[in-house]
Amino acid sequence: DIQMTQSPSSVSASVGDRVTITCRASQGISSWLAWYQQKPGKAPKLLIYGASSLQSGVPSRFSGRGSGTDFTLTISSLQPEDSATYYCQQANSFPNTFGQGTKLEIK
Amino acid sequence: EVHLLESGGGLVQPGGSLRLSCAASGFTFSSYAMSWVRLAPGKGLEWVSGISGSGGSTYYADSVKGRFTISRDNSKNTLYLQMKSLRAEDTAVYYCAKVRDDSSSSAAFDIWGQGTMVTVSP
Repeated sequence: DIQMTQSPSSVSASVGDRVTITCRASQGISSWLAWYQQKPGKAPKLLIYGASSLQSGVPSRFSGRGSGTDFTLTISSLQPEDSATYYCQQANSFPNTFGQGTKLEIK
Repeated sequence: EVHLLESGGGLVQPGGSLRLSCAASGFTFSSYAMSWVRLAPGKGLEWVSGISGSGGSTYYADSVKGRFTISRDNSKNTLYLQMKSLRAEDTAVYYCAKVRDDSSSSAAFDIWGQGTMVTVSP
């Protein structure tokens, strides 16, 4: 099975800051990588698919990069509503696996 | 509007069984693979099981293999998860999710249900 490792596990930043979350796959997954945002009590929301494609309706301050084993999610200018837990997910093969999550707190 | 609605969660004793349902609307259900994903208290998201659009191919996480069965009824636009031999560690909110790409069983999930809570406790 492919293991997904996210870092950091938590981050605290201020409104307007640039934040980057990293996800590493235990083996190459090409661009089969998605990013999700989840707020407490809500379903996850797809932000990025195919490693770098922005899902419809998602603000352009979110961006994704990477291929192979190393990926990043960047929020260019943090907003209060971005407080959430972020997950990466590999969709290269079954079982699809998620990273352990990164909790983003707004200072 | 594309919509998924889970049902069937509840409190069950260890060793018991439960069947979850996910009613889909607003898209051609049979064209898309579907999955179940769970979120246990204090934990992260865990992919549980997936099924192709036709229902001919199924996939499971090692943690549920042999205990859970995924199925779908395309005539009823409904996805199911039959859970047996339930354990305390199966306690979680269970979400059904639709893949974004109609040409692949494994892809990002663009539509999620609101989730249904399963609690396994004596």
